[in-house]
Amino acid sequence: LAKTTQPISMDSYEGQEVNITCSHNNIATNDYITWYQQFPSQGPRFIIQGYKTKVTNEVASLFIPADRKSSTLSLPRVSLSDTAVYYCLVASNTGGFKTIFGAGTRLFVKA
Amino acid sequence: GAVVSQHPSRVICKSGTSVKIECRSLDFQATTMFWYRQFPKQSLMLMATSNEGSKATYEQGVEKDKFLINHASLTLSTLTVTSAHPEDSSFYICSARYREETQYFGPGTRLLVL
Repeated sequence: LAKTTQPISMDSYEGQEVNITCSHNNIATNDYITWYQQFPSQGPRFIIQGYKTKVTNEVASLFIPADRKSSTLSLPRVSLSDTAVYYCLVASNTGGFKTIFGAGTRLFVKA
Repeated sequence: GAVVSQHPSRVICKSGTSVKIECRSLDFQATTMFWYRQFPKQSLMLMATSNEGSKATYEQGVEKDKFLINHASLTLSTLTVTSAHPEDSSFYICSARYREETQYFGPGTRLLVL
């Protein structure tokens, strides 16, 4: 299983773009990268998923370099409601589908 | 989108009793579901992998006789905390595997053991 490393916390202001980078040096060939958002006392919410290059949806973009050893979640124009913990997960099919959560990044958006 | 539900959302029980938590995939079938546990200010910890029609696979350090998992159908997995004690109080979250590479999470169940 690929271990993930993210910054413990980040601060931002409303309206700014926030980029959270995750390193996963031991990612395997068939692994996908998925980002989740979690609010207190709620289950993680799927944000975006990718395998390589760039993926964009209505809420975020995900940038994955060619070596896939890291990924960056980009949140455009954050608002106060984006204050949450963000987790980067690497989905491994080796020995059966399994994901292990890292510590996550606590994003605090200020007015 | 893929929706996973959990029931109950919160439960309070007396020490020594058993509590059952249900996890359902509402709009898709899931051959694999997962159970996590989360303590305050901490990340999610994988407890076990639940496979439809077979025994669950528990992570190291998780007591299989204490945390009974049953995955009787493609849309339902249950976690039973047997003889619950105050130290079992936690936030329990399930997820269901959707397609090959994605999992969707339930809203979580808050368990308080008095």
